[in-house]
Amino acid sequence: QKEVEQDPGPLSVPEGAIVSLNCTYSNSAFQYFMWYRQYSRKGPELLMYTYSSGNKEDGRFTAQVDKSSKYISLFIRDSQPSDSATYLCAMSSGGSNYKLTFGKGTLLTVNP
Amino acid sequence: EPEVTQTPSHQVTQMGQEVILRCVPISNHLYFYWYRQILGQKVEFLVSFYNNEISEKSEIFDDQFSVERPDGSNFTLKIRSTKLEDSAMYFCASRRGGGANEQYFGPGTRLTVT
Repeated sequence: QKEVEQDPGPLSVPEGAIVSLNCTYSNSAFQYFMWYRQYSRKGPELLMYTYSSGNKEDGRFTAQVDKSSKYISLFIRDSQPSDSATYLCAMSSGGSNYKLTFGKGTLLTVNP
Repeated sequence: EPEVTQTPSHQVTQMGQEVILRCVPISNHLYFYWYRQILGQKVEFLVSFYNNEISEKSEIFDDQFSVERPDGSNFTLKIRSTKLEDSAMYFCASRRGGGANEQYFGPGTRLTVT
């Protein structure tokens, strides 16, 4: 079983739709969960950072973590064409290094 | 807003040559990382660096790789003798520490080994 699994899509939605992106993981030591947005051939841009289980909201973005199910989600409300990108989940067990383990990314296209 | 910068944006080199990829982390950050992303694949951890020494490295980070912080601002990744399979995007990241655990990534260097 892969450490972090993420449906690569592609996912295509109309402008204004609610988007749901998900990752599952197998390592119960993961405590820190992040979502990054990556445009083609660019660096990952941090969108959301959460610690342990629960919800976090920032504007149109909501991150959810369910540690009991080893499942994390990112919701995008009122999606815009500018949201079209690859979304990467990443997680870390912390410790002294906080190295990140990434999912493969989901390619999202928001159509005007 | 402070950001991580990387140079060059694209490096083309011949197999067997040495390359040095450069990064300037965010100025008050203490922890530094290199990751790589082969085209179409996941972003993979290579190495973490703190207090002028490697704190953790992956199995990818073999003897061909080395990292250095030669001064107070730069952080470099050296690949001693490049192989075709080293072709990838290389990302530098930094983290402040002290309870601030978010990692911020640079724009990447695309390395092409021919």
